[in-house]
This record gives sequence, structure tokens and C-alpha cells, in this order.
Amino acid sequence: GAGVSQSPSNKVTEKGKDVELRCDPISGHTALYWYRQSLGQGLEFLIYFQGNSAPDKSGLPSDRFSAERTGGSVSTLTIQRTQQEDSAVYLCASSLRGASSPLHFGNGTRLTVT
Amino acid sequence: AQTVTQSQPEMSVQEAETVTLSCTYDTSESDYYLFWYKQPPSRQMILVIRQEAYKQQNATENRFSVNFQKAAKSFSLKISDSQLGDAAMYFCAYRSFGAGNMLTFGGGTRLMVKP
Repeated sequence: GAGVSQSPSNKVTEKGKDVELRCDPISGHTALYWYRQSLGQGLEFLIYFQGNSAPDKSGLPSDRFSAERTGGSVSTLTIQRTQQEDSAVYLCASSLRGASSPLHFGNGTRLTVT
Repeated sequence: AQTVTQSQPEMSVQEAETVTLSCTYDTSESDYYLFWYKQPPSRQMILVIRQEAYKQQNATENRFSVNFQKAAKSFSLKISDSQLGDAAMYFCAYRSFGAGNMLTFGGGTRLMVKP
């Protein structure tokens, strides 16, 4: 079946502009995660959604970052007033409920802030 | 908070040889899951292997196997008969037993495979 889909694949924006990154999880997956990967680095947790529960926002680096998940499916990560340090690959993942269920990742969105 | 450490930023292996990637983690929990993910240049993270902490038997998936040492909090990945397609970034990850917690990743090891 279809995997996790992210759009756009690449995004170049000017400093100070707002950007929206989209994630379509695998159908039936109740959990959705956003991670950030800076060049050559590991993955930094941003936010996690599980069903209708309140999201875990503990990884968001500043109040310029926000995310929503509509209808328990598609998620949008919004970065307001982008800064150069926001340049990174933003990865989305989804999984079934349960800690043993592996995360399935999308191909990510590469964000470049000029 | 849990931390995951991969002490080898880069590793190199000759095609058909065996290589071991190291991973250590820090936790006070007794039940958890450990994962190895592969990230080729396409950027997509691919699950390689998974280990449940309550299982003493080391997980294996074809050419990939782990050496899980719970007391030492060590979780190394062994790749046998290395292939050119194994070249990628490899990430070790930890996940609490409680349902839905996020994965905590190590910094990654870049594996190069020489023909």
C-alpha cells in the first residue's frame, strides 16, 4: 500500500516568511510524528499526535513552530517567521498504536531558508 | 530522559565482509524497544531490525543481527556479507514501553562499502 507522503519535497523560502509542510500518513495509523534532521545530524523529535489525545509538543523548539492534525489523518507543520537555523530536513512518520509498532517514515521535506 | 549514543561517526567495510556498528543508551526503565534504521541518500528512513528488551534472544533479519547486552545498555548491529546497497546512514533508536512514545535517536553512523 501507499507509504507516508510528504510535500513539498523541497522548499526554499526567504528569512521571515511562513512555511507549511504537509504529511499524509499511512491509512489506519493513529500515531503521527514530526522530526527534524539538520545536515549530517541525528533526528530531533518535534511533536507527536496519537488519535484524539492532546499532542505531545515537548520537542517544538520555539513558539514559531506549530502543527495540527485534521480528522486524525493529514498533518501540517507550520513555521512562522522562518530563520536560517530552521534550514533542515523535516521528516514525518506514522505508526499503529503501541510501542512495538515501528515508525514508517516519509521522504521528508528539505527546507532551505535564505 | 533517555539518551542514545553512537560513537562511530563513520565506518568502512569491504564488500562481502562483516561490520559491526555500536550503540549505547541510557535509561532507568526495564522494558523498552530498540531499533536500527537505515537512511540511504533518498532520505527515507527504513527499519532494519527491532529488539524487545524483555527478550534475551538477539534479533536477526537475514544478513542483519544485533548483539543486545541489556546490563551494559549496548545494542550493536552486525551486517554480514556487506553489499554496496548497504551504504547509508544507520541510526540506533530507543522507545519506551509505554504506548506511543516517540523514538529517541542516536547521532548516526555513516557506513561506506568498498567494492
